[in-house]
Amino acid sequence: QSVLTQPPSVSGAPGQRVTISCTGSYSNLGAGYDVQWYQHLPEKAPKLLIYGSYNRPSGVPDRFSGSKSGTSASLSITWLQAEDEADYYCQSYDSSLSGWVFGGGTKLAVL
Amino acid sequence: QVQLVESGGGVAQPGNSLRLSCSASGFTFRNHGMHWVRQAPGKGLEWVAVIWFDGSRDYYVDSVKGRFAISRDNSRNTLYLQMNSLRAEDTAMYYCARFTGGDFEGYFDYWGQGILVTV
Repeated sequence: QSVLTQPPSVSGAPGQRVTISCTGSYSNLGAGYDVQWYQHLPEKAPKLLIYGSYNRPSGVPDRFSGSKSGTSASLSITWLQAEDEADYYCQSYDSSLSGWVFGGGTKLAVL
Repeated sequence: QVQLVESGGGVAQPGNSLRLSCSASGFTFRNHGMHWVRQAPGKGLEWVAVIWFDGSRDYYVDSVKGRFAISRDNSRNTLYLQMNSLRAEDTAMYYCARFTGGDFEGYFDYWGQGILVTV
């Protein structure tokens, strides 16, 4: 079981909005550590989508946005496109484990 | 542009060793902490190890402590992962990743393409 909990899958039609949740605990998100989000396409390197819970690196479309509150965080994707079909991972630091942790990943299907 | 290129993977028997390398270019290597992250077949991403920018500190996930050793050569812009006493559960794609931020808060902003290790 992953330290950060994500739904295994989400889906949406092109043009719709989807949200992926990430639930942590007192030793990671609840301790104030930021959450990051990564997009992982098959056979590709993971790509940073959101850092510092809310910030987008240059080049990432503003259709992607992040939020965080307490022990939970979420990634929202608006105006879904076929190319968004991928696995998405949240990530943070855990002070109890003294290490960096990932969520189990969420597979996004664009119907 | 930033590039991270892993090498050294392959097939190993249980109990044997492998050494992964990650060659970095396009940025000042000695200014960044570096991590290894792996993905077992059909599983999610798992953080493996970190080494501080100057090599002064390193940390590991519990499952590899005492078996894996991360190191770096800042003169060669290269990161290493020495993997000893390999187990079947170490089978995975291994990625090196650049870390940007503070000691613990930060993010993996560049990743290599990954190298496959099969035990």
